[in-house]
Amino acid sequence: EAEVAQSPRYKITEKSQAVAFWCDPISGHATLYWYRQILGQGPELLVQFQDESVVDDSQLPKDRFSAERLKGVDSTLKIQPAELGDSAMYLCASSQGQGLREQYFGPGTRLTVT
Amino acid sequence: AQSVTQPDIHITVSEGASLELRCNYSYGATPYLFWYVQSPGQGLQLLLKYFSGDTLVQGIKGFEAEFKRSQSSFNLRKPSVHWSDAAEYFCAVGEPDSWGKLQFGAGTQVVVTP
Repeated sequence: EAEVAQSPRYKITEKSQAVAFWCDPISGHATLYWYRQILGQGPELLVQFQDESVVDDSQLPKDRFSAERLKGVDSTLKIQPAELGDSAMYLCASSQGQGLREQYFGPGTRLTVT
Repeated sequence: AQSVTQPDIHITVSEGASLELRCNYSYGATPYLFWYVQSPGQGLQLLLKYFSGDTLVQGIKGFEAEFKRSQSSFNLRKPSVHWSDAAEYFCAVGEPDSWGKLQFGAGTQVVVTP
């Protein structure tokens, strides 16, 4: 069964450093999502791509976070500089087509900022 | 703005007993509704979804959920829990005519005792 791939699974970084996460969605899925999940809370959408275009980044802290999906396939989420409050699980999900569909999640990247 | 409430942060249930997890939403129209499960350190797995039609929906792993429009609820049930059902469960809602953004509840942690 096809899965969403994410790497790394775990990342420890010092504050003020740069960090990047990678996501490879299920083949053929046009829509890709990045979520942040703080411990004890539900996931919160950071950014959503339709193919290579951003369709929602209203909750993305743009002063330090950036995301790209250059060829409309895999995606990278970057934080620079990292802050202590960025410690969380970063989840990638993908779905077919356009509009509200069921989303398939990757295993996530657990980020710890020290 | 739409919101999702999972009133129970933590539920303990005996193996073999029934389980019901509550979810209430606030939204002007009937949203699309989802239940996801998350095992420790893992991504989210879709249990079931409701878009329209029969208000009782069957999902994977023996779970079912019932949509009640009058109560703005979408409660998840399982007649007999197994130790492997210990996990965190998230209810999510989405606007039908949207790009696909999901709003998640804070989650309910389920502990299964022997």
